[in-house]
Amino acid sequence: GNSVTQMEGPVTLSEEAFLTINCTYTATGYPSLFWYVQYPGEGLQLLLKATKADDKGSNKGFEATYRKETTSFHLEKGSVQVSDSAVYFCALSNNAGGTSYGKLTFGQGTILTVHP
Amino acid sequence: NAGVTQTPKFQVLKTGQSMTLQCAQDMNHNSMYWYRQDPGMGLRLIYYSASEGTTDKGEVPNGYNVSRLNKREFSLRLESAAPSQTSVYFCASSPNTRIFQETQYFGPGTRLLVL
Repeated sequence: GNSVTQMEGPVTLSEEAFLTINCTYTATGYPSLFWYVQYPGEGLQLLLKATKADDKGSNKGFEATYRKETTSFHLEKGSVQVSDSAVYFCALSNNAGGTSYGKLTFGQGTILTVHP
Repeated sequence: NAGVTQTPKFQVLKTGQSMTLQCAQDMNHNSMYWYRQDPGMGLRLIYYSASEGTTDKGEVPNGYNVSRLNKREFSLRLESAAPSQTSVYFCASSPNTRIFQETQYFGPGTRLLVL
């Protein structure tokens, strides 16, 4: 079956530091990969996505590259801000066998706190 | 355009009580989903509705029922609440679940505490 593993958190950084949150996955076929972000007290919203191998998703200074050879989709940002403090979820959607119907499989989430 | 709305925002129940969580979307989406979020476990799918008139079990359906009332509304019912159902519940929608690269849009969540 499908599974997603994220690096353990929480992650605490100073403003302007470099961020990496690791994400690896297990899936049959060719899944689509997503990063969702949850700001305090809110629901999840899409941060970026990639739908095929070697695609790079990017948004708000965040980037992630779909690496099929290493089954990874690591999230990076060159210079974080206090406003980036949130919970980040890696997720995949897979239509292998035509039965997954767009259901998302989530990682456990990584809490990021950025200090001034 | 409100997106996905959920009611209530917060609820306290006693063991054995029942309640219905309401979800509505105004984006004319075909597909809707219910997830629960527990610490250290990410989000897990409870039930989903690929289109109006259909519902299917997700990863953790036990203890829950759902109703797709119409295209806009998808409710989640706890018939006899248990402390293990203490969680944050999120409703989501997407245009067409058969296009699996699609983005899902999430509501703000319902925080449920079962004593």
